[in-house]
Amino acid sequence: DAGVTQSPTHLIKTRGQHVTLRCSPISGHKSVSWYQQVLGQGPQFIFQYYEKEERGRGNFPDRFSARQFPNYSSELNVNALLLGDSALYLCASSLEARANSPLHFGNGTRLTVT
Amino acid sequence: GESVGLHLPTLSVQEGDNSIINCAYSNSASDYFIWYKQESGKGPQFIIDIRSNMDKRQGQRVTVLLNKTVKHLSLQIAATQPGDSAVYFCAENAPNAGGTSYGKLTFGQGTILTVHP
Repeated sequence: DAGVTQSPTHLIKTRGQHVTLRCSPISGHKSVSWYQQVLGQGPQFIFQYYEKEERGRGNFPDRFSARQFPNYSSELNVNALLLGDSALYLCASSLEARANSPLHFGNGTRLTVT
Repeated sequence: GESVGLHLPTLSVQEGDNSIINCAYSNSASDYFIWYKQESGKGPQFIIDIRSNMDKRQGQRVTVLLNKTVKHLSLQIAATQPGDSAVYFCAENAPNAGGTSYGKLTFGQGTILTVHP
């Protein structure tokens, strides 16, 4: 079975630009979460979506937005990119949007902002 | 504030030894904990989880221990192999202000495990 797939794997953008990252969850998983991982640190929660609705949001500015589609895939959008947005962006899927439903991560999109 | 931290940022062991990775958490409301392994260039890989109503859970070569009294979590890896070399993260889930748990995980900084042949 395919795991969580993310695209693109690597991306280079310039300050002020916007970016769209894509995620396909494990088949059967209805919840998708997004995390940002800065080098040398643990992942930080950005969003969780379940059945196309936002269920949780982390401490990130409004420049970050996301959505989930009817097929449960998801997009993360970041506007007005800053140098500090350079990070590994991880998508995770789970069966349900609740605790005790383990998150399974993709390999991430490495975003570099210059 | 809420945080999950690790006592030791690096751990070096010989192949075949047992490894113990420790984690401290500060949110007494956390009710679910997970250990992840992250290899270079990859996303975190689920290892094992434990609910707050348990104090021990075993998997294949791994055991997680939870001590709620001192807010401490540990991951034990038996007969450590070179393939176990990676960064290990503990993560916790706590209900939000409304009392619901929607699956947000708070991660620690990670411990680098190096296994020497």
